[in-house]
Amino acid sequence: QTVVTQEPSFSVSPGGTVTLTCGLTSGSVSTNNYATWYQQTPGQAPRTLIYTTNSRSSGVPDRFSGSILGNKAALTITGAQADDESDYYCVMSLGSGIWVFGGGTRLTVL
Amino acid sequence: QMQLVESGGGVVQPGTSLRLSCAASGVGFSIYAMHWVRQAPGKGLEWVAVISYNGRNKNIADSVKGRFSVSRDNSKNTLYLEMKSLRRDDTAVYYCAKTGGDDWSNPPGGWGQGTLVTVSS
Repeated sequence: QTVVTQEPSFSVSPGGTVTLTCGLTSGSVSTNNYATWYQQTPGQAPRTLIYTTNSRSSGVPDRFSGSILGNKAALTITGAQADDESDYYCVMSLGSGIWVFGGGTRLTVL
Repeated sequence: QMQLVESGGGVVQPGTSLRLSCAASGVGFSIYAMHWVRQAPGKGLEWVAVISYNGRNKNIADSVKGRFSVSRDNSKNTLYLEMKSLRRDDTAVYYCAKTGGDDWSNPPGGWGQGTLVTVSS
């Protein structure tokens, strides 16, 4: 069974740059996995940041960007701000209408 | 901009059934595929189900296959999740989410606020 992997936690300094990754235990991530990234703060519904690898959702600042780095999908945050401190989730398509979320990354800005 | 409002959650006993609804307001419900996603207390997001714009293609996560089913009524702008034989580990906030396209290859995009299902005796 394919698992989607994410770093459990990460920290970044204010103003710094951080790259979170999303991998597949079954192999390399491609654009056909339609990797999508979400931000979630406690008690709130998820907010879509990046969809299908690298398309920024409406209203999302351009300091959030998506890509494929090596064999993983990646979310890069440049110029980190205090309110970026959140949980970040990725989801990927395994084909045939099957989707799997990663376990999430808790980002700390300090 | 389409708004989504989930309903139907509550406290239920193990082994019972429940139907969740997701009512869409605004334009376009009938042209978009839709997802259900859940989140157990203190845990991460878990994909549950997807359904195409016309309901002909659908899929369910292995963890709930055989117990949960997804459907939609485009005449009522409503998405459903039928849940049977509920277990304690089905306790979660259930979100519906619209996609940006018509088939199941589109990821969850716009989210409702969720409805809490608690399975407890």
